[in-house]
Amino acid sequence: LAKTTQPISMDSYEGQEVNITCSHNNIATNDYITWYQQFPSQGPRFIIQGYKTKVTNEVASLFIPADRKSSTLSLPRVSLSDTAVYYCLVGGGSSNDYKLSFGAGTTVTVRA
Amino acid sequence: DVKVTQSSRYLVKRTGEKVFLECVQDMDHENMFWYRQDPGLGLRLIYFSYDVKMKEKGDIPEGYSVSREKKERFSLILESASTNQTSMYLCASSSSQTDTQYFGPGTRLTVL
Repeated sequence: LAKTTQPISMDSYEGQEVNITCSHNNIATNDYITWYQQFPSQGPRFIIQGYKTKVTNEVASLFIPADRKSSTLSLPRVSLSDTAVYYCLVGGGSSNDYKLSFGAGTTVTVRA
Repeated sequence: DVKVTQSSRYLVKRTGEKVFLECVQDMDHENMFWYRQDPGLGLRLIYFSYDVKMKEKGDIPEGYSVSREKKERFSLILESASTNQTSMYLCASSSSQTDTQYFGPGTRLTVL
């Protein structure tokens, strides 16, 4: 089971790019990497998911190197509303062989 | 939009009480999950279910049980609540085709 490690906190300013790296040295072949955003008093919300190389959607990009032992969530041009906790999740499998590992979360604070 | 609902946002119980936390999803997802979330520890998986009446232990199943009698409903049961079970409890669901989990708003349980 991949142990998932991410920084505890990061500070940024509006308009900057924020990059959060998650380490998952023991990632399994069938594991996907998923990132979630969580605001206070809400459940985590899906941001982006990938398996290898690069994935981009309307809110973020996810970079995964060839060895897949880490991944980097990139938030372009952050605003104050991007202040939240970001979680990396590594997992996959099927039915009763489903394994997953959440990181402890990275608190991102965006300042004006 | 996927909707995951949880029976209560806030719950206060006494030590030794039996506690039921209910979760309902409306997207016909096969997989459902129960997590607890504590400061500095992120999300930890308690139990998950990949089909009706099927369940698998997560990382911290001790002191908990679950029930899934219908596909859309997954219940978490604390047989005899203890103060160390004071926490935020999050339910999630996902399709067997993807590993994208959709979370409910959470139940903040306080055991006195």
